[in-house]
Amino acid sequence: QLQLQESGPGLVKPSETLSLTCTVSGGSISSSSYYWGWIRQPPGKGLEWIGSIYYSGSTYYNPSLKSRVTISVDTSKNQFSLKLSSVTAADTAVYYCASSVTNAFDIWGQGTMVTVSS
Amino acid sequence: QSVLTQPPSVSGAPGQRVTISCTGSSSNIGAGYDVHWYQQLPGTAPKLLIYGNSNRPSGVPDRFSGSKSGTSASLAITGLQAEDEADYYCQSYDSSLSDVFGTGTKVTVL
Repeated sequence: QLQLQESGPGLVKPSETLSLTCTVSGGSISSSSYYWGWIRQPPGKGLEWIGSIYYSGSTYYNPSLKSRVTISVDTSKNQFSLKLSSVTAADTAVYYCASSVTNAFDIWGQGTMVTVSS
Repeated sequence: QSVLTQPPSVSGAPGQRVTISCTGSSSNIGAGYDVHWYQQLPGTAPKLLIYGNSNRPSGVPDRFSGSKSGTSASLAITGLQAEDEADYYCQSYDSSLSDVFGTGTKVTVL
């Protein structure tokens, strides 16, 4: 059974870069069966898709975040990562990584809270 | 601001049937893109409930069903149970924005 786990700093200063990693277990991140995504949820608000990466390396980003987002894969560690630059308080959220087989996000990590504050 | 609109809340008594709508447009649901549904219990990660408009992943009770028509989709919960009290989100693809989630609906069991 595929499992995902997010990791990274819980506190990031304004204007800095938020960096998170998602470790995949129970399956290969290189598999053509999956694609991988990041989703976030500000406190008390709804879900926002950040971006996705396919086994081919192709990436797709939310247009509202595209200029600040980079998603990449590290096949040697079976991980994929998120970098969000120039963060502000509006980027404070729970960040989830997820996998997709069905074109929906089938499996989700437990989420990690990131607060942007000085 | 999401391009998929859901009612903020719906409620029902135990055993009743409730439906949640997800209204889109010709650039997303109306363009033929699939709709997926998620359940988010308080303090937990979302869980896939329905994929591809009407398909249930293994383990999801058949009390949950999905449908799609035109520029809208619906999630129905029959035989409402206390454990169904949660937030529900639809998701689809938009030709201008890529993946998009609905605004979310809180289901309250009276």
